[in-house]
Amino acid sequence: DAGVIQSPRHEVTEMGQEVTLRCKPISGHDYLFWYRQTMMRGLELLIYFNNNVPIDDSGMPEDRFSAKMPNASFSTLKIQPSEPRDSAVYFCASSLRGAGSSYEQYFGPGTRLTVT
Amino acid sequence: AQSVTQPDIHITVSEGASLELRCNYSYGATPYLFWYVQSPGQGLQLLLKYFSGDTLVQGIKGFEAEFKRSQSSFNLRKPSVHWSDAAEYFCAVGAPGTASKLTFGTGTRLQVTL
Repeated sequence: DAGVIQSPRHEVTEMGQEVTLRCKPISGHDYLFWYRQTMMRGLELLIYFNNNVPIDDSGMPEDRFSAKMPNASFSTLKIQPSEPRDSAVYFCASSLRGAGSSYEQYFGPGTRLTVT
Repeated sequence: AQSVTQPDIHITVSEGASLELRCNYSYGATPYLFWYVQSPGQGLQLLLKYFSGDTLVQGIKGFEAEFKRSQSSFNLRKPSVHWSDAAEYFCAVGAPGTASKLTFGTGTRLQVTL
């Protein structure tokens, strides 16, 4: 299995630009999570989906952030407009629930976002 | 609300020495508990987890952790550290039965000296 795939791995953009981060979860997984990691705040859950439906978006910092999951194999996290304080590493993770689930979340390699 | 405290931000040990990383949690019942490791530039990888039963759990890479209900702790241990264990370690807690939403600690960075 290829694992969770994220693109791009690195993104440098100017303040005010739109940024789109992409994630392909592990095939068959029914939960998808978006996290943000910074030195100051650590690892924060932004939003998670179950069967493509957003379940909890209470961690999304503000309206500039939006996330979608149009199908079971693809999700996006969009920031519009971006600001320097959005600079962080963004992780996508997926997991499988159901009988016998290990509840393990499998993380992608992350996207390092730098907003200048 | 659930929370996790990792009191040690940075730990340095010599290769071959034993290791213990501390984790304390706050939750109304016995939660699901996890330890993850993050190598530089990588995502997080699960080391081990505790759901119920035997309070001493074994994980990958020779790690183990012990759940102590009375102390609300889930400390990670390894009897002999290897240089390749240098990484950041995260403790996480999730609601039992679902663990859909994990709360992570702030992490402990492990440095291994040769």
